[in-house]
Amino acid sequence: DVVMTQSPLFLPVTLGQPASMSCRSSQSLLHSNGNTYLNWFQQRPGQSPRRLIYKVSDRDSGVPDRFSGSGSGTDFTLKISRVEAEDVGFYYCMQGTHTPLTFGGGTKVEIK
Amino acid sequence: EVQLVESGGGLVQPGESLRLSCTASGFIFNIYWMTWVRQAPGKGLEWVANIQQDGDEKYYADSVKGRFTISRDNAKNSLFLQIDSLRAEDTAFYYCARGGPGSTCDYWGQGILVTVSS
Repeated sequence: DVVMTQSPLFLPVTLGQPASMSCRSSQSLLHSNGNTYLNWFQQRPGQSPRRLIYKVSDRDSGVPDRFSGSGSGTDFTLKISRVEAEDVGFYYCMQGTHTPLTFGGGTKVEIK
Repeated sequence: EVQLVESGGGLVQPGESLRLSCTASGFIFNIYWMTWVRQAPGKGLEWVANIQQDGDEKYYADSVKGRFTISRDNAKNSLFLQIDSLRAEDTAFYYCARGGPGSTCDYWGQGILVTVSS
């Protein structure tokens, strides 16, 4: 199974400042069809997860443009250009290239 | 508007069975893979199973293989998860989500809690 490793576990951030978190996979997520299926999810306290990013860097409809994804192969990053109070919660990466699908352990974003 | 609504959870004893349902609306159900994901209280997300559009292809996490069965009824826009031989470690919120392999889980339900305890 592909192991997804996220860091850091906790990310204290200052409102209005940028934030960045990492996700690494134990195998390349490049699919034979040329796509890389790395997804990012946000889970606010008490809510269901919500997908933010798919195929490494494509933003879902309604997701603010302060969220951006990048990376390739086994190394991926989610960035928030200017953190807002509503961004508090857990962020999970998930690979959809290999079965079984697997999630990272999550990064908790909190305001300093 | 896409909506996914789970039902069928509750408190059950170890060894018992449960059938979770997910009713979909707001999209053409039979053209999408569907997925179950669970989250133990205070823990991260765990992919459980997914099912192809016509129900022929199904995949399971090793942790649930042989005890969980995913199925669907396209005529009723419904997804199911049959859980047998429940264990304490199956205690979790269970979410249904739209999508399968690839760019998946673009919409999620509100989740349903399954508690396994004697």
